[in-house]
Amino acid sequence: DAKTTQPNSMESNEEEPVHLPCNHSTISGTDYIHWYRQLPSQGPEYVIHGLTSNVNNRMASLAIAEDRKSSTLILHRATLRDAAVYYCIRGRSGSARQLTFGSGTQLTVLP
Amino acid sequence: DAGVTQSPTHLIKTRGQQVTLRCSPKSGHDTVSWYQQALGQGPQFIFQYYEEEERQRGNFPDRFSGHQFPNYSSELNVNALLLGDSALYLCASSSRGSGNTIYFGEGSWLTVV
Repeated sequence: DAKTTQPNSMESNEEEPVHLPCNHSTISGTDYIHWYRQLPSQGPEYVIHGLTSNVNNRMASLAIAEDRKSSTLILHRATLRDAAVYYCIRGRSGSARQLTFGSGTQLTVLP
Repeated sequence: DAGVTQSPTHLIKTRGQQVTLRCSPKSGHDTVSWYQQALGQGPQFIFQYYEEEERQRGNFPDRFSGHQFPNYSSELNVNALLLGDSALYLCASSSRGSGNTIYFGEGSWLTVV
């Protein structure tokens, strides 16, 4: 797993969509993009992951650029409980991999 | 179904002492990893255990050691504690049999004084 680049912090208003960007310009063809988030006083929590196509689940959507050098995590309607540090991680798939975390993006949700 | 459980939640130790942290993985999981998270930083990988053996190791000194038991639970031991070892220690579990999801516990807060 190797480094990604994310903004240090972002703000959003409650019930509005949030787009969290991530750059991974040197990503290899077999690297997945994983997103985890860490709420205050908790361990990281899996959000979503993808390889090439856009992905959706109950928590969020992941939009991956066509050249795969960047991606965007989309929270469709931010709630106060979404306030957390969001980590974008590139790396192999599989549960045996180690995760290389950067500093992440601190998301603040304003009421 | 209990998730990843860790103990103790908080502890304070003195420099030079030794500490043992414990982790029970999520039911059905056979792989346990440990991470260290200093204040304001992302978690850093320490090592991973599978089938009671250390399979991967991050850039941590030999003072950090671990163990995995036949029931898949795990311990992290840190000897000769330094002030810089003060951090949140996270346990993560996963299953090599299936899936991509790695689950984390809430961590053990270690303060070295």
